[in-house]
Amino acid sequence: QVTLKESGPVLVKPTETLTLTCTVSGFSLSNARMGVSWIRQPPGKALEWLAHIFSNDEKSYSTSLKSRLTISKDTSKSQVVLTMTNIDPVDTATYYCARAKELSSGWPPDAFDVWGQGTMVTVSS
Amino acid sequence: SYELTQPPSVSVSPGQTASITCSGDKLEDKYACWYQQKPGQSPVLVIYRDNKRPSGIPERFSGSNSGYTATLTISGTQAMDEADYYCQAWESSTAVVFGGGTKLTVL
Repeated sequence: QVTLKESGPVLVKPTETLTLTCTVSGFSLSNARMGVSWIRQPPGKALEWLAHIFSNDEKSYSTSLKSRLTISKDTSKSQVVLTMTNIDPVDTATYYCARAKELSSGWPPDAFDVWGQGTMVTVSS
Repeated sequence: SYELTQPPSVSVSPGQTASITCSGDKLEDKYACWYQQKPGQSPVLVIYRDNKRPSGIPERFSGSNSGYTATLTISGTQAMDEADYYCQAWESSTAVVFGGGTKLTVL
């Protein structure tokens, strides 16, 4: 069974750095053709894509948040980590990680077929 | 930057057909997919690669993509289909793009 599970702090103070971890099971991050994205959703609002890490370790970031985000993976721990610097109350949201298979044709990857349960992060002093 | 536009809300009577649109520049050149999200739950993939259904998704869900518009169609809509629906595509310059979401009301 393929699962992804997000973990991280529930409450973060403004200007701090947020670190979120996505632990995957049922598939290997070291296998070819599996990528993981981070996606967030402020309360009552739409989904917003943040960052993606491809199987070859290439990374892609939201244009508007690129300067604040870093995505990485530790294949030995089956984890994908997202850091977001200079946190602000507008960053309050549920943060999801989701898997996307990479097709044999190369681009684009497939849809996000498995999502984590999400982790709610509140930014407040 | 690339954008996908969805209507904020769609209403449908039980048993009728609901259509939710997603518009974007030359969207037909990309694969469109659709997610269903019920309150308090994570999104669930219901259509991928324009018109393919993942296993476990009812046959009443179908998709199409032509020109500038992708469409999610729910035939014989049931009360359990009431949810928010998001379209999504991969775009070469901005990577992943989501639409703004459509709230489907079954009344």
